[in-house]
Amino acid sequence: NAGVMQNPRHLVRRRGQEARLRCSPMKGHSHVYWYRQLPEEGLKFMVYLQKENIIDESGMPKERFSAEFPKEGPSILRIQQVVRGDSAAYFCASSPPGRGVGPHNEQFFGPGTRLTVL
Amino acid sequence: AQSVTQLDSHVSVSEGTPVLLRCNYSSSYSPSLFWYVQHPNKGLQLLLKYTSAATLVKGINGFEAEFKKSETSFHLTKPSAHMSDAAEYFCVVSLYNQGGKLIFGQGTELSVKP
Repeated sequence: NAGVMQNPRHLVRRRGQEARLRCSPMKGHSHVYWYRQLPEEGLKFMVYLQKENIIDESGMPKERFSAEFPKEGPSILRIQQVVRGDSAAYFCASSPPGRGVGPHNEQFFGPGTRLTVL
Repeated sequence: AQSVTQLDSHVSVSEGTPVLLRCNYSSSYSPSLFWYVQHPNKGLQLLLKYTSAATLVKGINGFEAEFKKSETSFHLTKPSAHMSDAAEYFCVVSLYNQGGKLIFGQGTELSVKP
């Protein structure tokens, strides 16, 4: 069973360009989470999605950022008109169906996409 | 509000000596607690998790943690450090009423000297 896959692993963009980050959850997992790690900081929650639904986007910046998890295909985190402050590592995690505390909340993390904005 | 505080941003130990990484949490509900490790430029790996069963939790690579409700602590320990343990360690809380969202501590960088 392959783990969570993210691509690209490294992405370089110039200011004003768009960045698209992809995440394929583990097989059988229907919950996807995106986190951002700024330099020298811990991970911060951005958004939680299930297939075709955004469940919690309380950590997403109000502008330029969007996320989707379509019925088919990977989850996409999209950043429009990138700025230098968007430079960070973006991690995707997935978890199996079910809710509540305990094992059902264990999240499996991908290797991350490191975005550099020039 | 729920939060996690890692009391040390950096810990340095000698190889073969014990490791203690401290974590305190605040929560109005019974939390699930985790420790994740991140090696340089790598993703996160789950070390161990507390899910309201045994309060002493054993994880991978010889690590363990003890949940102490009275102290709201979940410190990570290992009897004998190995050079390969050098990494960033994150204490994490997950709450039922937060839909599975994980709240990360600031991280503790562990250095291991030969």
